[in-house]
Amino acid sequence: QVHLVQSGAEVRKPGASVKVSCKASGYTFSAYFIHWVRQAPGQGLEWMGWINPDSAGTKYAENFQGRVTMTRDTSISTAYMEMRGLRSDDTAVYYCASGAGNFGYWGQGTLVTVSS
Amino acid sequence: QSVLTQPPSASGTPGQRVTISCSGSSSNIGSNSVNWYHQVPGTAPKLLIYSNNQRPSGVPDRFSGSKSGTSASLAISGLQSEDEGDYYCAAWDGSLVGWVFGGGTKLTVV
Repeated sequence: QVHLVQSGAEVRKPGASVKVSCKASGYTFSAYFIHWVRQAPGQGLEWMGWINPDSAGTKYAENFQGRVTMTRDTSISTAYMEMRGLRSDDTAVYYCASGAGNFGYWGQGTLVTVSS
Repeated sequence: QSVLTQPPSASGTPGQRVTISCSGSSSNIGSNSVNWYHQVPGTAPKLLIYSNNQRPSGVPDRFSGSKSGTSASLAISGLQSEDEGDYYCAAWDGSLVGWVFGGGTKLTVV
C-alpha cells in the first residue's frame, strides 16, 4: 500500500525559509515523479513543480522559479521541498503527490504559516 | 484566476445526478487528458477520475468523466451525502509546461 508521509506543521517569519519532507513507502521510490501542490486557506490547488526521484531532475512552475528547490534522498525514499523568502501569502497547506502522471497518491499535507 | 474554469458551486438532492464542468483551452484540455479530484475539507485530495474517464480501483461507478474539445465534465449519479466536498479538474498545459487546476466546485447535497 502506497503511503506518502509528510513532516509536521511549521511556523516561520517573513523572509525565512522552510523545508518540508515527504517520505514514500509501498512502491519503488524512483518509479514516479514527486509533485508538490499547495493550497492557501479557503483557496484551490496550485501546482508547484516536480522532482524525478530517479535522476533528481526538476521542473518548477513559473510562479515559484528561483524561490523553490526540490530535492530527494533515495536512500530513505524521501523528497524535500524548500522555499525561501517566505511571505505571508505563502501561508498554505503544502502537499506532496505521486502516481503515474495522475497524482494518484497524496501526502497528508503540511501547514506552513508565515507570520511576524 | 485559475487556468481551468469550473463553476464555484453545485448542489443536488440524494439520488439525483449532477454534473460539474471544466473549461480549458487547446494547450491543456484540448490536447491532454483530464483528471478529477475530490477533497473533503481538512483532508488531502483524492483521485476520482484519470485519463478523462478512467476510475481508479475503489471509486464507485456512480462517478464518470468525459471530455469534448476543450471542455470536460464529471458526472455523479445516485448522489449521496458523502459526495459533498470540493471537486477539482486538472490537466497538463503544454504552453505553461506545467499542471493546471480548476478553481474547484463546492458540491452540496441538500
